[in-house]
Amino acid sequence: ETGVTQTPRHLVMGMTNKKSLKCEQHLGHNAMYWYKQSAKKPLELMFVYNFKEQTENNSVPSRFSPECPNSSHLFLHLHTLQPEDSALYLCASSRNSPPSYNEQFFGPGTRLTVL
Amino acid sequence: GENVEQHPSTLSVQEGDSAVIKCTYSDSASNYFPWYKQELGKRPQLIIDIRSNVGEKKDQRIAVTLNKTAKHFSLHITETQPEDSAVYFCAASMANYGQNFVFGPGTRLSVLP
Repeated sequence: ETGVTQTPRHLVMGMTNKKSLKCEQHLGHNAMYWYKQSAKKPLELMFVYNFKEQTENNSVPSRFSPECPNSSHLFLHLHTLQPEDSALYLCASSRNSPPSYNEQFFGPGTRLTVL
Repeated sequence: GENVEQHPSTLSVQEGDSAVIKCTYSDSASNYFPWYKQELGKRPQLIIDIRSNVGEKKDQRIAVTLNKTAKHFSLHITETQPEDSAVYFCAASMANYGQNFVFGPGTRLSVLP
């Protein structure tokens, strides 16, 4: 356990469904991230939040909508997804202050299948 | 933006031999280079990192070297063991406010008994 949890661990949804992925970190970190992991792009950064403010959006389609209500929780809201969005979605967090401010701690991921 | 390349994509070594994985980066402003290991079905975990003010760093059987001029860095694993089998990812970033890592495509290492 790294102190980062994700729910659900597995999700199957149709293209017209709306679902949300949840991430929670118990490490007192102030930055959180969403990554997409697939065979095509093994670790692709999607969103970055620092102190609850979104600082990075790597050209992610609008059908993915992040939400960070506080520095411990991060959501990824999904709607009208496509089959090619099927992947493992990893959440991570980091301290962003010395001494170990660079290390990112990953959650176990949510395996998403879009039918 | 930053682009990170990683070679080889797959690597098989005999137990006890050494393994070397190489990465190149494009942005000379990058100054922090971590390596993550992801075992099958598990989450990526940091195994070693290096900052641009250091040329080499070692931790037991693992070492990382950095050549800032050539913009490449390498992971060296000596006396490989079966539990070293995993996918290894290098990354590059600027170690400032907000750690926006750009990861390489990964190397699948298999250590054969």
